[in-house]
Amino acid sequence: KAGVTQTPRYLIKTRGQQVTLSCSPISGHRSVSWYQQTPGQGLQFLFEYFSETQRNKGNFPGRFSGRQFSNSRSEMNVSTLELGDSALYLCASSPGQRTYEQYFGPGTRLTVT
Amino acid sequence: AQTVTQSQPEMSVQEAETVTLSCTYDTSENNYYLFWYKQPPSRQMILVIRQEAYKQQNATENRFSVNFQKAAKSFSLKISDSQLGDTAMYFCAFMIGSGGSNYKLTFGKGTLLTVNP
Repeated sequence: KAGVTQTPRYLIKTRGQQVTLSCSPISGHRSVSWYQQTPGQGLQFLFEYFSETQRNKGNFPGRFSGRQFSNSRSEMNVSTLELGDSALYLCASSPGQRTYEQYFGPGTRLTVT
Repeated sequence: AQTVTQSQPEMSVQEAETVTLSCTYDTSENNYYLFWYKQPPSRQMILVIRQEAYKQQNATENRFSVNFQKAAKSFSLKISDSQLGDTAMYFCAFMIGSGGSNYKLTFGKGTLLTVNP
């Protein structure tokens, strides 16, 4: 099976802009989670979607949002970018029903200038 | 809230030797899962091993094994016969299981392991 794919892999944006990141899960997986990884804060949970519904959300401002499509692909959006949003954004997929392993994609490296 | 602590920011080991990475966690939950993930330099996160809290037997995956001490809330990873390809950041992670699961991984800060030739 193909692994989790994320696009784009690298992105440079300016403060105040918005950005959309995409994640395609492993075929058959219905759960997609998003994490932010920074040197200072480490890995932090953003949100998790299952069958197009957000099941859980981390402690991030409302500028961070996401959605999931019927084919389980997911997007996350960050509006009004701040310098502190520079990070590696990781997507992870899981079958989602009482199966708890998460499989990660390569990430999108976002740089905000 | 759950917390995961990895007290060793960096470790090094000689090729072919054995190394143990430490992890402790804090939770009031009784049903949960613990994981070790490996993140090689500039490469993606890979699941190394998982442990269900209700299982007393320690999980093993080839050269990787865990020492799960539920009462002590300790979950260490032992890597035997270390290889150069084991050089990576290792993260310990926790997830609430079963009906109470929020499908959220809580990670430790990581341990950077360097395997020297």
